[in-house]
Amino acid sequence: QIQLQESGPGLLKPSQTLSLTCSLSGGAIARSGYYWGWVRQLPGKGLEWIGYIYFTGTTYYNPSLRSRVAISVDRSKNQFSLNLSSVTAADTAVYYCAREQASLYYFDIWGQGTLVTVSS
Amino acid sequence: QSALTQPRSVSGSPGQSVTISCTGTSSDVGGYNFVSWYQHHPGKAPKVMIYDVSQRPSGVPYRFSGSKSGNTASLTISGLQAEDEADYYCSSYAGDYTLTFGGGTKLTVL
Repeated sequence: QIQLQESGPGLLKPSQTLSLTCSLSGGAIARSGYYWGWVRQLPGKGLEWIGYIYFTGTTYYNPSLRSRVAISVDRSKNQFSLNLSSVTAADTAVYYCAREQASLYYFDIWGQGTLVTVSS
Repeated sequence: QSALTQPRSVSGSPGQSVTISCTGTSSDVGGYNFVSWYQHHPGKAPKVMIYDVSQRPSGVPYRFSGSKSGNTASLTISGLQAEDEADYYCSSYAGDYTLTFGGGTKLTVL
């Protein structure tokens, strides 16, 4: 059974870089047909798509975050990561990693989510 | 890229049917048949209930159905049950390999 688990610091100061890792178990990240993505839920608001990556390294990002976001994949560790630079309080959110069915554009497997708070 | 528009809340009694709307534009909902719906119980991982407008993943009850007309997609839950109480989000492909979500709808089972 495929499972995803987010990990990373839960508290950051403004201007720092948010770095989260998603570890995949029960399957291989280097498998065709899937993208590996990040979604966040801002407090009291809806979900926001951040971006996703194919195991080859091809990435696609939300245009509103593109200048600050980078997603990478480490096939040897069966992990993929999110970096979001120059964070502000507006980036405080629960961050989810998820598996997307390529060419169908929906997420079928999600991690439990991790809360990241940006505060001075 | 703007968020899709959903009602903030809907409610219904057990056994009744409720419909949640999701309004976008011709650049997202209206332009592609890649609309999905997610059920989210607070503190848990979201769960896909509908994809490709009206397809149900294995294990999702037949009570959940999806449809689309023009720029508006809809999720209908029939035979409402207490465990259906959750937040529901729609999502759509928006071109250029991008996705957009709705603001979410809180479903209350009375």
